[in-house]
Amino acid sequence: DTAVSQTPKYLVTQMGNDKSIKCEQNLGHDTMYWYKQDSKKFLKIMFSYNNKELIINETVPNRFSPKSPDKAHLNLHINSLELGDSAVYFCASSHIGQGRTNEKLFFGSGTQLSVL
Amino acid sequence: DQQVKQNSPSLSVQEGRISILNCDYTNSMFDYFLWYKKYPAEGPTFLISISSIKDKNEDGRFTVFLNKSAKHLSLHIVPSQPGDSAVYFCAASAGDKIIFGKGTRLHILP
Repeated sequence: DTAVSQTPKYLVTQMGNDKSIKCEQNLGHDTMYWYKQDSKKFLKIMFSYNNKELIINETVPNRFSPKSPDKAHLNLHINSLELGDSAVYFCASSHIGQGRTNEKLFFGSGTQLSVL
Repeated sequence: DQQVKQNSPSLSVQEGRISILNCDYTNSMFDYFLWYKKYPAEGPTFLISISSIKDKNEDGRFTVFLNKSAKHLSLHIVPSQPGDSAVYFCAASAGDKIIFGKGTRLHILP
């Protein structure tokens, strides 16, 4: 039973398309995240949600829109895909409530997005 | 602006010897530090952490040392085993964000 699962694992698409990545966690955690690992290998936070409420929204283009239908799901929708969006996107979850991030994150296995 | 730096992209260590992975940080507000391990095609998994009020935390073969004055932490793995071959990410937090380094790829040689 995968704790944090994200789909698809690989996503190859053309520039200008709209795509979504889905994430689900069965750990009962309150907080979920999206991280991006770019070509320079940094893992950078994009968004975090706590109980369906947006907590962190880093400097991310408006083309990226997270959606949390319930606290076990956090999907990422990307409009008008660009070449620079090619990266590995990781979903994660943790136990913490708002304001403190010293609990460990549980990551999904990543979605490799390639924009051609 | 790299707040968490792992200056060694890769490290090779003989099986059975000690592996030492280093991490430097710039933000003195960081008060919690974590190490994550990542295998290919998998997400990072939590390994060990340390609060800024401590200078050492040990968990089996893994020990993390924190030198606040130098803004430096290190992860020691002893003895190193083949399954330790992976990418290790150093991370630091202050409040509601965790900032990750670029990772160090550790190769354990037979």
